[in-house]
Amino acid sequence: NAGVIQTPRHKVTGKGQEATLWCEPISGHSAVFWYRQTIVQGLEFLTYFRNQAPIDDSGMPKERFSAQMPNQSHSTLKIQSTQPQDSAVYLCASSFGTGGSSYEQYFGPGTRLTVL
Amino acid sequence: AQSVDQPDAHVTLSEGASLELRCSYSYSAAPYLFWYVQYPGQSLQFLLKYITGDTVVKGTKGFEAEFRKSNSSFNLKKSPAHWSDSAKYFCALGASSFSKLVFGQGTSLSVVP
Repeated sequence: NAGVIQTPRHKVTGKGQEATLWCEPISGHSAVFWYRQTIVQGLEFLTYFRNQAPIDDSGMPKERFSAQMPNQSHSTLKIQSTQPQDSAVYLCASSFGTGGSSYEQYFGPGTRLTVL
Repeated sequence: AQSVDQPDAHVTLSEGASLELRCSYSYSAAPYLFWYVQYPGQSLQFLLKYITGDTVVKGTKGFEAEFRKSNSSFNLKKSPAHWSDSAKYFCALGASSFSKLVFGQGTSLSVVP
């Protein structure tokens, strides 16, 4: 079990450029969550998928952020026209719950995005 | 609305002492409660959870937590503390089995020799 895999681990973009972050959940997990972590704001929820379907994107900045899960083995978070305030560690987590057993989320190592 | 409060930003204690990190939550329905630990430069690691049943739950690394509905708390405990427990600890609240987690601001724990 390799755990949740996130690539790249570090990404530096210039202001206005696009950034795409990748997440591979733990095999067999049915839910994938995206969070971001900053010193000021702490851990903030962005969006999540269950069985590849988008369920809750209430934390997503609407204009420039989008997320997809085209298959059960990966999800992407895309940020268009990146701004310095987008600089953060973006965390992907996955969980499985077959109706009663496990609800905890397992986190990947994160992608540190720096927007210059 | 859901919220989590960890009132102590920093806690310092001596190795061998007992540790208790405080967490309170606000939620109108039955909560799903979690503790995670983050070591410097690393991601979040799951420690333990309360879903239902016994109000004292045990987790990894010798930690346990007690759920108290009466005062909406879910404090993390360990005795004795070890220097390797130095890390940042996050309390989190979920509304259901598959839902986002709302995190507290975290408590940075330093265990000194």
